[in-house]
Amino acid sequence: QKEVEQDPGPLSVPEGAIVSLNCTYSNSAFQYFMWYRQYSRKGPELLMYTYSSGNKEDGRFTAQVDKSSKYISLFIRDSQPSDSATYLCAMIGSSNTGKLIFGQGTTLQVKP
Amino acid sequence: NAGVTQTPKFQVLKTGQSMTLQCAQDMNHEYMSWYRQDPGMGLRLIHYSVGAGITDQGEVPNGYNVSRSTTEDFPLRLLSAAPSQTSVYFCASSYSGLAGGLSYEQYFGPGTRLTVT
Repeated sequence: QKEVEQDPGPLSVPEGAIVSLNCTYSNSAFQYFMWYRQYSRKGPELLMYTYSSGNKEDGRFTAQVDKSSKYISLFIRDSQPSDSATYLCAMIGSSNTGKLIFGQGTTLQVKP
Repeated sequence: NAGVTQTPKFQVLKTGQSMTLQCAQDMNHEYMSWYRQDPGMGLRLIHYSVGAGITDQGEVPNGYNVSRSTTEDFPLRLLSAAPSQTSVYFCASSYSGLAGGLSYEQYFGPGTRLTVT
């Protein structure tokens, strides 16, 4: 079983829709939860991160972490065609030997 | 700043050939890592380095070698290429995190697309 599971999609939505992207994980030592965005044929870029449980909002993007359920989500409001990309969740523990563990990535297409 | 640069952008190898993928960063980051990205597998860590002269294995190290003689450079060597190593390779760098470990914010290069026939 992978430490981090993410539905690869693809997910196709109309412009303006609310998008929900999710990951589950099994390692309770994870403390930092990240979302990276990767445009086609580019390297991933950090979109948002959350430390421990709770919500974090940045413009149209909201990241949620539920540590009791080992479940994280990224919501995109008023989705735009420019949001079309692959979204990768990633997690790391707070120990010195922690390694960044990525989910498989979800490919999102927002149609005009 | 150029950030993280990788060369070459594309490469085709025959089975058994060796080559080195180059990675350089100009942000004075302590940490550097190599990942491979395959369809449906996400990013998998190959090797990483916490500073010059220090390297360690990641999740999928077999068939790859690394060294870190300077802070800026972290080359990845394929010893004897196999078709299973066909993938997109990303180099990443970061500062150390709050606890001294790997930071949550990795800066990625543009990738090298490798095909082994």
